[in-house]
Amino acid sequence: ETGVTQTPRHLVMGMTNKKSLKCEQHLGHNAMYWYKQSAKKPLELMFVYNFKEQTENNSVPSRFSPECPNSSHLFLHLHTLQPEDSALYLCASSQAGGQDYNEQFFGPGTRLTVL
Amino acid sequence: KNQVEQSPQSLIILEGKNCTLQCNYTVSPFSNLRWYKQDTGRGPVSLTIMTFSENTKSNGRYTATLDADTKQSSLHITASQLSDSASYICVVTQGSQGNLIFGKGTKLSVKP
Repeated sequence: ETGVTQTPRHLVMGMTNKKSLKCEQHLGHNAMYWYKQSAKKPLELMFVYNFKEQTENNSVPSRFSPECPNSSHLFLHLHTLQPEDSALYLCASSQAGGQDYNEQFFGPGTRLTVL
Repeated sequence: KNQVEQSPQSLIILEGKNCTLQCNYTVSPFSNLRWYKQDTGRGPVSLTIMTFSENTKSNGRYTATLDADTKQSSLHITASQLSDSASYICVVTQGSQGNLIFGKGTKLSVKP
């Protein structure tokens, strides 16, 4: 595996379900991100982790719960979601303080549909 | 307010033709500007990056320009191919902390 991988690629869940999205980066980076991408809207930053510590939470509802057990893995735990949470969820990683202007490398995303 | 505006919202061109996508920003302080290509069902992939002192950068058939005075950037695609069909996202990095401000993207469709 290379780059940033995400599983599952597609997820359909009911509003009472609990599910988790997984992200893994194979680039040796020290920062990881969760984004939400909805149709005709800019990417919305949800959470940022630097060296496994959460450094940013952009007023995301508590039904989204991130977890970063190590610098290579990032999870997004979902529970009691709403239909408006249906979107493409993108994970990204970067090398904070690196020489590449902190370029973020994105995974392929998880297409989430909440019924 | 820090914003990135892209135009057009969508564009259809014939294979082999050239096209230019626009990006205007009001982000301050400015650090750098990137153009990303996002294929359907995939994550964005960086095409070019430009800092304040650079006014043009090429990556194959893609050429990006930056006018830091007018806060405008463009992405020119030469001799378009069917594989160029994608969304193109302009992203401005704000300040030293690296906050990314995303545009909504331009959806390009290249038809045979």
